[in-house]
Amino acid sequence: KAGVTQTPRYLIKTRGQQVTLSCSPISGHRSVSWYQQTPGQGLQFLFEYFSETQRNKGNFPGRFSGRQFSNSRSEMNVSTLELGDSALYLCASSWGTPRSGELFFGEGSRLTVL
Amino acid sequence: DQQVKQNSPSLSVQEGRISILNCDYTNSMFDYFLWYKKYPAEGPTFLISISSIKDKNEDGRFTVFLNKSAKHLSLHIVPSQPGDSAVYFCAARPSLGGSQGNLIFGKGTKLSVKP
Repeated sequence: KAGVTQTPRYLIKTRGQQVTLSCSPISGHRSVSWYQQTPGQGLQFLFEYFSETQRNKGNFPGRFSGRQFSNSRSEMNVSTLELGDSALYLCASSWGTPRSGELFFGEGSRLTVL
Repeated sequence: DQQVKQNSPSLSVQEGRISILNCDYTNSMFDYFLWYKKYPAEGPTFLISISSIKDKNEDGRFTVFLNKSAKHLSLHIVPSQPGDSAVYFCAARPSLGGSQGNLIFGKGTKLSVKP
């Protein structure tokens, strides 16, 4: 079956702009999580959506937001981009229950902010 | 404050030998620990997990050991193969306020297996 699909794979923005990233989870998965990966900080949890509701949130400023649609697809948005937002943004999906913890990751969207 | 630590940024082993990757955690309130492998330009791939109530889980060449008193877990790969060369991430899920999608990752250890 198809894996987690993220678009776009690469993008370049300038400071102050905003960006929207998209994630299509594995068919049947209802939970979608977003992570930011940077060389210095590793993978950091942004937020998780389950059945169109945000059920967990990491320690990121309000410029980072997300949503989930009825078909479980998810988008995340970063407004007023800063140089430090340059990172690989990873989406992961799972069934949502039971609490086994296994996540299936996409290949990521690499954002460069100039 | 980093709750999950992988203190070795890199590890090099010979093909056929054992690879041991280590991970320490500072918070006792984790109910699941996981290991992920990541190749360049790909997303992390789940390898193996262990519940906090267990002390060992084995899957083929991969075994994870959990020492709760020391707040330490390790991943053993035996025998190591060149295809195992990748970055390995240790992750933990908080038992309080956590959910399936909320994992805390270490910064990773780059494993190189030499032929």
